[in-house]
Amino acid sequence: DAKTTQPTSMDCAEGRAANLPCNHSTISGNEYVYWYRQIHSQGPQYIIHGLKNNETNEMASLIITEDRKSSTLILPHATLRDTAVYYCIAGGGATNKLIFGTGTLLAVQP
Amino acid sequence: SAVISQKPSRDICQRGTSLTIQCQVDSQVTMMFWYRQQPGQSLTLIATANQGSEATYESGFVIDKFPISRPNLTFSTLTVSNMSPEDSSIYLCSGRDMNTEAFFGQGTRLTVV
Repeated sequence: DAKTTQPTSMDCAEGRAANLPCNHSTISGNEYVYWYRQIHSQGPQYIIHGLKNNETNEMASLIITEDRKSSTLILPHATLRDTAVYYCIAGGGATNKLIFGTGTLLAVQP
Repeated sequence: SAVISQKPSRDICQRGTSLTIQCQVDSQVTMMFWYRQQPGQSLTLIATANQGSEATYESGFVIDKFPISRPNLTFSTLTVSNMSPEDSSIYLCSGRDMNTEAFFGQGTRLTVV
């Protein structure tokens, strides 16, 4: 699985868009980009995933660069309940396993 | 989306004993995985549970310490053997199909005293 690099922490004002970056420069052609979040003491929650194209669902949007070496998760209107650790994972591919990095602690401020 | 249930949700165990954690998925999944999350840390993959064959372990994890069973496509167990305080962690089960998202249980919080 490709290694990912994320900022350790970020702040966002409530009601504003939260943009979480992720670098995955060694991603291979058959590996997807997955985003999960973990709120304290709970199991990881799936947010969104994509291969090449940008994706949007009811929770977030995923923007993947054309060279697939980086991506951005966008939470359009952050709320206090979005405070969590967000994990970007580049994997799935041939091994089908997902390896977690250290993640970004997003703190949404009132 | 699949729903994954783990039992027990938490336990306090004596050192030297073993604990078996059960993971039940409400639908068949191709792949199941076990993770460990130590306090304040990210998730670390322990092994891939293979149906009908031995689990595939990640570097640093061995079958004698973490035996895994997967008798069918909806159920798996992880045993933490001969426990020490260093095994105090949250253990998480995950299931997924190829190129789809993985779903996680709420974890088993283990404290070894």
